[in-house]
Amino acid sequence: EAAVTQSPRSKVAVTGGKVTLSCHQTNNHDYMYWYRQDTGHGLRLIHYSYVADSTEKGDIPDGYKASRPSQENFSLILELASLSQTAVYFCASSDRGVNQDTQYFGPGTRLLVL
Amino acid sequence: GEQVEQLPSSLIVQEGASVLINCSYTDSASVYFPWYKQEPGKRLQFIIDIRSNMERKQNQRLTLLFDKKTKHLSLHITATQPGDSAIYFCSASITGGYKVVFGSGTRLLVSP
Repeated sequence: EAAVTQSPRSKVAVTGGKVTLSCHQTNNHDYMYWYRQDTGHGLRLIHYSYVADSTEKGDIPDGYKASRPSQENFSLILELASLSQTAVYFCASSDRGVNQDTQYFGPGTRLLVL
Repeated sequence: GEQVEQLPSSLIVQEGASVLINCSYTDSASVYFPWYKQEPGKRLQFIIDIRSNMERKQNQRLTLLFDKKTKHLSLHITATQPGDSAIYFCSASITGGYKVVFGSGTRLLVSP
Protein backbone atom coordinates (compact mmCIF):
# COMPACT_ATOMS: atom_id res chain seq x y z
CA GLU A 1 0.00 0.00 0.00
CA ALA A 2 1.33 3.43 -1.02
CA ALA A 3 2.85 5.20 1.95
CA VAL A 4 2.62 8.73 0.54
CA THR A 5 -0.65 9.78 -0.99
CA GLN A 6 -1.72 13.07 -2.52
CA SER A 7 -5.06 14.63 -3.26
CA PRO A 8 -6.36 15.68 -5.60
CA ARG A 9 -4.44 13.90 -8.35
CA SER A 10 -5.32 16.61 -10.79
CA LYS A 11 -6.97 19.97 -10.58
CA VAL A 12 -8.00 22.83 -12.81
CA ALA A 13 -8.03 26.20 -11.07
CA VAL A 14 -8.82 29.72 -12.14
CA THR A 15 -6.35 32.56 -11.89
CA GLY A 16 -6.73 34.31 -8.55
CA GLY A 17 -8.47 31.38 -6.92
CA LYS A 18 -7.32 29.47 -3.87
CA VAL A 19 -5.88 25.98 -4.26
CA THR A 20 -5.04 23.51 -1.53
CA LEU A 21 -3.01 20.39 -2.26
CA SER A 22 -2.93 17.71 0.40
CA CYS A 23 -0.37 15.07 1.28
CA HIS A 24 -0.65 12.17 3.71
CA GLN A 25 2.09 9.77 4.73
CA THR A 26 2.02 6.58 6.76
CA ASN A 27 5.81 6.17 6.90
CA ASN A 28 6.01 7.72 10.37
CA HIS A 29 8.58 10.12 8.92
CA ASP A 30 9.45 13.42 10.52
CA TYR A 31 10.37 15.26 7.32
CA MET A 32 7.95 16.19 4.59
CA TYR A 33 8.52 18.20 1.43
CA TRP A 34 6.67 19.88 -1.40
CA TYR A 35 8.30 20.10 -4.84
CA ARG A 36 7.17 21.33 -8.20
CA GLN A 37 8.19 19.78 -11.46
CA ASP A 38 8.02 21.67 -14.70
CA THR A 39 8.33 20.04 -18.09
CA GLY A 40 11.98 19.50 -18.91
CA HIS A 41 13.15 20.45 -15.46
CA GLY A 42 14.02 18.69 -12.29
CA LEU A 43 12.26 19.08 -8.99
CA ARG A 44 12.45 22.32 -7.08
CA LEU A 45 11.78 22.55 -3.36
CA ILE A 46 8.92 24.85 -2.34
CA HIS A 47 8.46 24.19 1.38
CA TYR A 48 9.44 21.53 3.84
CA SER A 49 8.75 20.58 7.43
CA TYR A 50 10.66 18.58 10.01
CA VAL A 51 8.04 18.59 12.75
CA ALA A 52 4.32 19.09 13.10
CA ASP A 53 3.11 22.68 13.38
CA SER A 54 6.29 24.00 11.77
CA THR A 55 7.18 24.71 8.15
CA GLU A 56 10.24 26.11 6.43
CA LYS A 57 10.80 27.86 3.14
CA GLY A 58 12.53 25.98 0.39
CA ASP A 59 14.16 27.37 -2.73
CA ILE A 60 11.04 28.76 -4.45
CA PRO A 61 8.48 29.63 -1.72
CA ASP A 62 7.02 32.78 -3.27
CA GLY A 63 3.29 32.43 -3.93
CA TYR A 64 2.97 29.32 -1.76
CA LYS A 65 2.15 28.61 1.86
CA ALA A 66 2.43 25.32 3.70
CA SER A 67 0.74 23.77 6.70
CA ARG A 68 1.76 20.74 8.78
CA PRO A 69 -1.07 20.12 11.26
CA SER A 70 0.18 16.63 12.17
CA GLN A 71 3.10 14.34 11.47
CA GLU A 72 1.10 12.57 8.78
CA ASN A 73 -0.31 15.55 6.89
CA PHE A 74 1.29 18.35 4.93
CA SER A 75 -0.62 20.81 2.75
CA LEU A 76 0.46 23.24 0.09
CA ILE A 77 -1.69 26.34 -0.32
CA LEU A 78 -1.82 28.68 -3.27
CA GLU A 79 -3.77 31.69 -1.97
CA LEU A 80 -3.95 33.43 -5.35
CA ALA A 81 -3.22 30.93 -8.10
CA SER A 82 -1.37 32.24 -11.13
CA LEU A 83 -0.72 30.88 -14.60
CA SER A 84 2.95 30.37 -13.73
CA GLN A 85 1.97 27.88 -11.03
CA THR A 86 0.78 25.35 -13.60
CA ALA A 87 3.00 22.34 -12.88
CA VAL A 88 3.08 18.90 -11.34
CA TYR A 89 3.46 18.98 -7.57
CA PHE A 90 5.10 16.19 -5.63
CA CYS A 91 5.02 15.58 -1.92
CA ALA A 92 7.71 13.47 -0.26
CA SER A 93 8.70 12.25 3.17
CA SER A 94 11.96 11.14 4.73
CA ASP A 95 13.13 9.70 8.00
CA ARG A 96 15.40 11.10 10.66
CA GLY A 97 18.66 9.17 10.91
CA VAL A 98 21.10 7.38 8.66
CA ASN A 99 18.75 7.24 5.68
CA GLN A 100 17.30 10.65 6.33
CA ASP A 101 17.99 11.90 2.86
CA THR A 102 16.27 9.09 0.96
CA GLN A 103 12.90 10.49 0.08
CA TYR A 104 9.66 8.66 -0.61
CA PHE A 105 7.42 10.38 -3.08
CA GLY A 106 3.72 10.67 -3.62
CA PRO A 107 2.15 10.13 -7.06
CA GLY A 108 1.98 13.83 -7.85
CA THR A 109 -0.79 16.36 -8.43
CA ARG A 110 -1.16 17.87 -11.87
CA LEU A 111 -2.32 21.48 -11.51
CA LEU A 112 -3.55 23.54 -14.42
CA VAL A 113 -4.24 27.20 -13.76
CA LEU A 114 -6.36 28.92 -16.41
CA GLY B 1 23.80 27.13 -3.21
CA GLU B 2 24.29 23.65 -4.51
CA GLN B 3 23.78 23.07 -8.21
CA VAL B 4 23.46 19.69 -9.85
CA GLU B 5 23.92 19.19 -13.56
CA GLN B 6 23.08 16.06 -15.52
CA LEU B 7 24.12 15.01 -18.95
CA PRO B 8 22.89 13.96 -21.36
CA SER B 9 19.37 15.30 -21.15
CA SER B 10 18.07 12.39 -23.21
CA LEU B 11 19.20 9.01 -24.52
CA ILE B 12 17.73 6.54 -26.96
CA VAL B 13 19.23 3.05 -27.03
CA GLN B 14 18.31 -0.41 -28.20
CA GLU B 15 17.46 -3.10 -25.72
CA GLY B 16 20.56 -4.78 -24.38
CA ALA B 17 22.81 -1.74 -24.71
CA SER B 18 24.61 -0.09 -21.81
CA VAL B 19 24.14 3.55 -20.92
CA LEU B 20 26.06 6.09 -18.89
CA ILE B 21 24.46 9.06 -17.16
CA ASN B 22 26.74 11.76 -15.83
CA CYS B 23 26.12 14.10 -12.94
CA SER B 24 28.19 16.90 -11.46
CA TYR B 25 27.66 19.02 -8.38
CA THR B 26 29.18 22.20 -7.02
CA ASP B 27 29.03 22.13 -3.22
CA SER B 28 31.87 20.16 -1.63
CA ALA B 29 29.77 19.88 1.55
CA SER B 30 27.39 17.49 -0.22
CA VAL B 31 28.09 13.97 0.94
CA TYR B 32 25.02 11.93 0.04
CA PHE B 33 23.85 11.29 -3.52
CA PRO B 34 20.59 9.41 -4.06
CA TRP B 35 19.31 8.66 -7.55
CA TYR B 36 15.68 8.38 -8.50
CA LYS B 37 13.79 6.94 -11.42
CA GLN B 38 10.51 8.32 -12.71
CA GLU B 39 8.58 6.14 -15.14
CA PRO B 40 6.03 7.92 -17.33
CA GLY B 41 3.18 9.26 -15.23
CA LYS B 42 4.54 7.66 -12.08
CA ARG B 43 6.09 8.86 -8.84
CA LEU B 44 9.83 9.14 -8.34
CA GLN B 45 11.35 6.00 -6.89
CA PHE B 46 14.70 5.64 -5.18
CA ILE B 47 17.02 3.31 -7.10
CA ILE B 48 20.54 3.66 -5.73
CA ASP B 49 22.65 5.96 -3.59
CA ILE B 50 26.23 6.57 -2.62
CA ARG B 51 27.99 8.45 0.14
CA SER B 52 31.14 10.48 -0.31
CA ASN B 53 33.29 7.95 1.58
CA MET B 54 32.67 5.43 -1.21
CA GLU B 55 33.89 5.27 -4.79
CA ARG B 56 31.60 2.64 -6.21
CA LYS B 57 28.29 0.98 -5.48
CA GLN B 58 26.46 -1.69 -7.42
CA ASN B 59 22.88 -2.84 -7.34
CA GLN B 60 22.19 -5.55 -9.92
CA ARG B 61 22.45 -3.85 -13.34
CA LEU B 62 23.16 -0.43 -11.83
CA THR B 63 26.67 0.74 -10.98
CA LEU B 64 27.26 4.15 -9.45
CA LEU B 65 30.72 5.69 -9.54
CA PHE B 66 31.72 8.67 -7.44
CA ASP B 67 34.74 10.96 -7.78
CA LYS B 68 34.98 13.34 -4.85
CA LYS B 69 37.91 15.23 -6.31
CA THR B 70 36.11 16.19 -9.51
CA LYS B 71 32.64 16.32 -7.89
CA HIS B 72 31.35 13.92 -10.47
CA LEU B 73 29.10 10.87 -10.48
CA SER B 74 28.26 8.36 -13.19
CA LEU B 75 25.37 5.91 -13.29
CA HIS B 76 26.01 2.92 -15.50
CA ILE B 77 23.08 0.76 -16.53
CA THR B 78 23.90 -2.51 -18.28
CA ALA B 79 21.72 -4.82 -20.36
CA THR B 80 18.97 -2.24 -20.67
CA GLN B 81 15.36 -3.33 -20.97
CA PRO B 82 12.26 -1.45 -22.15
CA GLY B 83 11.23 -1.25 -18.49
CA ASP B 84 14.27 0.93 -17.86
CA SER B 85 12.67 3.67 -19.94
CA ALA B 86 12.21 6.55 -17.53
CA ILE B 87 13.66 9.85 -16.39
CA TYR B 88 16.63 9.40 -14.10
CA PHE B 89 17.41 12.07 -11.52
CA CYS B 90 20.68 12.63 -9.75
CA SER B 91 20.54 14.52 -6.46
CA ALA B 92 22.90 15.83 -3.83
CA SER B 93 22.46 16.39 -0.11
CA ILE B 94 24.41 17.43 2.95
CA THR B 95 24.22 14.63 5.52
CA GLY B 96 21.97 15.57 8.39
CA GLY B 97 20.40 18.16 6.16
CA TYR B 98 16.97 18.00 4.72
CA LYS B 99 17.57 19.80 1.48
CA VAL B 100 18.16 17.67 -1.54
CA VAL B 101 19.01 19.39 -4.79
CA PHE B 102 17.94 17.57 -7.93
CA GLY B 103 19.43 17.61 -11.37
CA SER B 104 17.19 18.28 -14.34
CA GLY B 105 16.98 14.62 -15.24
CA THR B 106 18.03 12.31 -18.07
CA ARG B 107 15.25 10.86 -20.17
CA LEU B 108 16.12 7.30 -21.23
CA LEU B 109 14.19 5.48 -23.91
CA VAL B 110 14.99 1.82 -24.49
CA SER B 111 13.55 0.45 -27.71
CA PRO B 112 12.82 -3.29 -28.07
